Amino acid sequence: EPEVTQTPSHQVTQMGQEVILRCVPISNHLYFYWYRQILGQKVEFLVSFYNNEISEKSEIFDDQFSVERPDGSNFTLKIRSTKLEDSAMYFCASSVTVGYDYGYTFGSGTRLTVV
Amino acid sequence: DQQVKQNSPSLSVQEGRISILNCDYTNSMFDYFLWYKKYPAEGPTFLISISSIKDKNEDGRFTVFLNKSAKHLSLHIVPSQPGDSAVYFCAAKPGTASKLTFGTGTRLQVTL
Repeated sequence: EPEVTQTPSHQVTQMGQEVILRCVPISNHLYFYWYRQILGQKVEFLVSFYNNEISEKSEIFDDQFSVERPDGSNFTLKIRSTKLEDSAMYFCASSVTVGYDYGYTFGSGTRLTVV
Repeated sequence: DQQVKQNSPSLSVQEGRISILNCDYTNSMFDYFLWYKKYPAEGPTFLISISSIKDKNEDGRFTVFLNKSAKHLSLHIVPSQPGDSAVYFCAAKPGTASKLTFGTGTRLQVTL
């Protein structure tokens, strides 16, 4: 079964450093997303991306965050200057459409630890 | 602002019995609802969904019920199996919007 692949599975970084989280969505999917889950809290939407541009973003997704699809297969999330509160599981997801009767496919996540 | 709420943080059910997980929402714009299952160190896995034009949707052992007037949905798992032990998230969105709003999750433990 097709899957969304995320790398690395765990990243430790120092506060103030830049990190790039990588994702390979399912090949025929057109919509791409980043969500995050701080330990013990709910999964929160960060951003959606379609047709090479951001289609929707949350208030969490401020100027420190950016997304890119640098080639035909990868989808990346960059955090420019990490803060302690950025420590979380980051999930990439993709979908064929945003319509009904379709569930988004999530990757296994990247655990980001900011020290 | 908790637009999607799962008021039971945990639930324990015996193998073979029915598991009922509940979810409430407040946003009237939500008309598509999804249930995800999540194991530790894995991403959420899509289970079943329902749109607001229906009040029930079944897929094998999983059935989702939607009560629009009460803004309430529930996931029934019958019969429950030990492999069903996981955290279950309810999620919702308006129509063709891209953003899913998740609940806080319910940890289901199915005991032998």
